[in-house]
Amino acid sequence: EDKVVQSPLSLVVHEGDTVTLNCSYEVTNFRSLLWYKQEKKAPTFLFMLTSSGIEKKSGRLSSILDKKELFSILNITATQTGDSAIYLCAWGNYGQNFVFGPGTRLSVLP
Amino acid sequence: GEEVAQTPKHLVRGEGQKAKLYCAPIKGHSYVFWYQQVLKNEFKFLISFQNENVFDETGMPKERFSAKCLPNSPCSLEIQATKLEDSAVYFCASSQQSHTGELFFGEGSRLTVL
Repeated sequence: EDKVVQSPLSLVVHEGDTVTLNCSYEVTNFRSLLWYKQEKKAPTFLFMLTSSGIEKKSGRLSSILDKKELFSILNITATQTGDSAIYLCAWGNYGQNFVFGPGTRLSVLP
Repeated sequence: GEEVAQTPKHLVRGEGQKAKLYCAPIKGHSYVFWYQQVLKNEFKFLISFQNENVFDETGMPKERFSAKCLPNSPCSLEIQATKLEDSAVYFCASSQQSHTGELFFGEGSRLTVL
C-alpha cells in the first residue's frame, strides 16, 4: 500500500527562524509531488515537483525533490506568523489518485 | 466557474439520516476527487472521476457511500444512514488535464452527525 510520511508532525518556531519540512514516500510508479498549505479551510497550492534536483522557489518558500532517495523537503526562511498552518505533501502516481501525508503543523510565534 | 464550489458549507444530520454533498468543479477540469478529512487529520481519498466516469473508487466505503458526476450537473457525494464516524470535512478537488496535475480544492463541506 502506498504510504507518505511527513516529519516533524508538529513544529513550533519563532518569527525569523528557518524551517525544513520533510516528506518521504513509499509510492509505486511515482509521477508528481504536490505541496499544500492548509490554514482554516481549503488547502492552497504551493508547489508541484516532477523532476529530481530542480529547486522550485516562491518568495521565502522553496522545495526540492529527490526521486532516488524518495523524499522531498519544503524550506521556509525568515518565518512569519502568517506561515502558521498545516503543510501537506501528496504524491501522485500512475494510478488514479493522490496519496496525502498526515501533514506538519507549523506554529510561528511572534 | 473559476473555483471549485462546494455546498452546503455545513450540514448536520442525526445518525441514520441521509447526507448529500455537492461539488461544481472548475470549468474545463476533467477530473474530480473527493477526500475526507477527520479533525484536521489525514486526507483520506474516497473516489475520483474523469468526466462522468468513475476513475478510482478504491477509497469508498462500499456500503453507505455513493457518488456521481453527471453531465451539466454538480457532482454529488451521498451517505446513506450516516454514522457518528462520518463526521468530517469533505473536500472536493478538480484537476485540469491529468490526474497527476495540480489539484484545486473547494472550501469543503463540514458534516456533523449527532
